[in-house]
Formats: sequence, structure tokens, C-alpha cells
Amino acid sequence: QKEVEQNSGPLSVPEGAIASLNCTYSDRGSQSFFWYRQYSGKSPELIMFIYSNGDKEDGRFTAQLNKASQYVSLLIRDSQPSDSATYLCAVNGDTGNQFYFGTGTSLTVIP
Amino acid sequence: DADVTQTPRNRITKTGKRIMLECSQTKGHDRMYWYRQDPGLGLRLIYYSFDVKDINKGEISDGYSVSRQAQAKFSLSLESAIPNQTALYFCATSQYSNYGYTFGSGTRLTVV
Repeated sequence: QKEVEQNSGPLSVPEGAIASLNCTYSDRGSQSFFWYRQYSGKSPELIMFIYSNGDKEDGRFTAQLNKASQYVSLLIRDSQPSDSATYLCAVNGDTGNQFYFGTGTSLTVIP
Repeated sequence: DADVTQTPRNRITKTGKRIMLECSQTKGHDRMYWYRQDPGLGLRLIYYSFDVKDINKGEISDGYSVSRQAQAKFSLSLESAIPNQTALYFCATSQYSNYGYTFGSGTRLTVV
């Protein structure tokens, strides 16, 4: 059983602060790592992906990957109320045929 | 129009009834997936297909079946619905194994 663990939260940050979301995974063969944002009652939306160790930045979002520690994180800088959502971490299995999802972290950005 | 369309958006059905959820896509992706989402359990894979002749079970396929009618269409059936199949169902597509998913808008299914 592939496991992807996330702190369910809720995580609350004030507007303008940095939100830090964390994810650990069990399969050392995983090669692709994704972050999805899901607003209440809506479908998940891909916001970041990372394949290599280190940091990857896209606008206010930074994904960080450490394969040795089996850890991937998402930083949201200058958090906005519109960032309030559940963030899902997804990791592909060693065959690459499917992704395994964490249960998500609920983020609330307080104006 | 949405890239990945699911019908119906909402459905209430009775225990024991057969029900089909449909998914169609205009992305041109070969890979299609069916997931269910439950509070506290996250997204769990039911079935996936990499082309019309390829069907694979996911981690929770019992009680479900699928049909890949065309590259763009992938249907999920509940042969005899039971209350614990009440969930939010998502269809998703992807182009390659290392690409992310595009999700449909979901079908909220309630079995009473």
C-alpha cells in the first residue's frame, strides 16, 4: 500500500504570511510529485509539480522536494484569502501508472 | 466547454439500483481514471484505462465496473448500488505518466 501523509489541518495564516504545507510519502521509487488545490465542492486543480530534488518556484508558490527524506512541501508566499482551500499532495507509484493522493490539508487565510 | 465533462452532476439512487456515471474529454488524452473522494479518506482510484482496449483495476474496484467506449469516453457503473458507495466521484485524464491530471467537475452520488 502506497502511503501519502499530510497534516489535515486546519492551517490558519494571516493574509500576507507564508503558508507551509507538508507531505511525506512511503514509496522510494516515486518520481513525480504534484500539488493540487481544491476549493470546497469543486474538483482538484493542478498548481505545481516537481520531479527533482530542490526547490521549484512559480509565482507565489514554491515546491520543495527531498527524496532522501521522502518529503515534499508547498510554500505559498503573500497568502491571500483566495488561497483558502484544501491542498492535495499526489505522488506517482514506481510503475508511473497511477498517482496516490494524501487526504489534503485545509488552509484558511484570514483577512 | 469543459475539457473533461462528467454527467450527471448529482444523483440520488436507491440501494440495489444499477447506475452509470459518464465521462467525456476533449483533451485528446489517452489515459483516463475514475476516483472517489470521501471525507478523511482522500481520493482513491477505482479504475484506469490507457487506451480503448486497456482496463485496469485500482485499489477499490469491488462493486464497480467500467467501459472505455472510445478514446474520449470512459464510463463507471455501479452494478447494484449500496449506501457506502455514497461519495463524490471524479473522472480524470492525463497525457503521460509524469503529467498531472485534469479532473472533471465531479458527480455527487447518494445511495439511499
